[in-house]
Amino acid sequence: GIQVEQSPPDLILQEGANSTLRCNFSDSVNNLQWFHQNPWGQLINLFYIPSGTKQNGRLSATTVATERYSLLYISSSQTTDSGVYFCAVALYYGGSQGNLIFGKGTKLSVKP
Amino acid sequence: DVKVTQSSRYLVKRTGEKVFLECVQDMDHENMFWYRQDPGLGLRLIYFSYDVKMKEKGDIPEGYSVSREKKERFSLILESASTNQTSMYLCASSLLVQPQHFGDGTRLSIL
Repeated sequence: GIQVEQSPPDLILQEGANSTLRCNFSDSVNNLQWFHQNPWGQLINLFYIPSGTKQNGRLSATTVATERYSLLYISSSQTTDSGVYFCAVALYYGGSQGNLIFGKGTKLSVKP
Repeated sequence: DVKVTQSSRYLVKRTGEKVFLECVQDMDHENMFWYRQDPGLGLRLIYFSYDVKMKEKGDIPEGYSVSREKKERFSLILESASTNQTSMYLCASSLLVQPQHFGDGTRLSIL
């Protein structure tokens, strides 16, 4: 099946620093999502980005589907950005979207 | 905004009990999913449903069943709970070919 690899597995930043998280996937996918899991376990949708570039405040993401990777940029990091960031790709099942295949995540710690 | 509501944030049950985890979405989504999350193993799909009364097995369906009698509600059933089913359970829903939205999760402990 399709493989999703995220790097780095762990990242420690000082508040205010910028970072780039990477997601590689092994096959063509129809959709890709980025999530932030906060310390309480809630999975928050960040981006739905099967291709192209999107921005939302200090966060932006780029997916290059033809080269099978996606990047998540965090600028001017804050302590509230801490948590685990997941990339997940979606496979179609028949005419509808099937299950998400998740990477193992990048654990981000932002120090004050 | 999409709202996916899971019935409990924390739940403690005993081995052998029949356990029901409920998930309700308010956006008329066709697709609903149940995942479990374990340290070192990540998120894995248990079951999903793309329509009322329809269900498909995911990667780890053993020991679980599901029910979808109404479009907005998707229930996960542990027929006879075991300690290896202690985990974080996450429900999600989506429209066709659209992003999945997750509930807050249920931390289930089986004693």
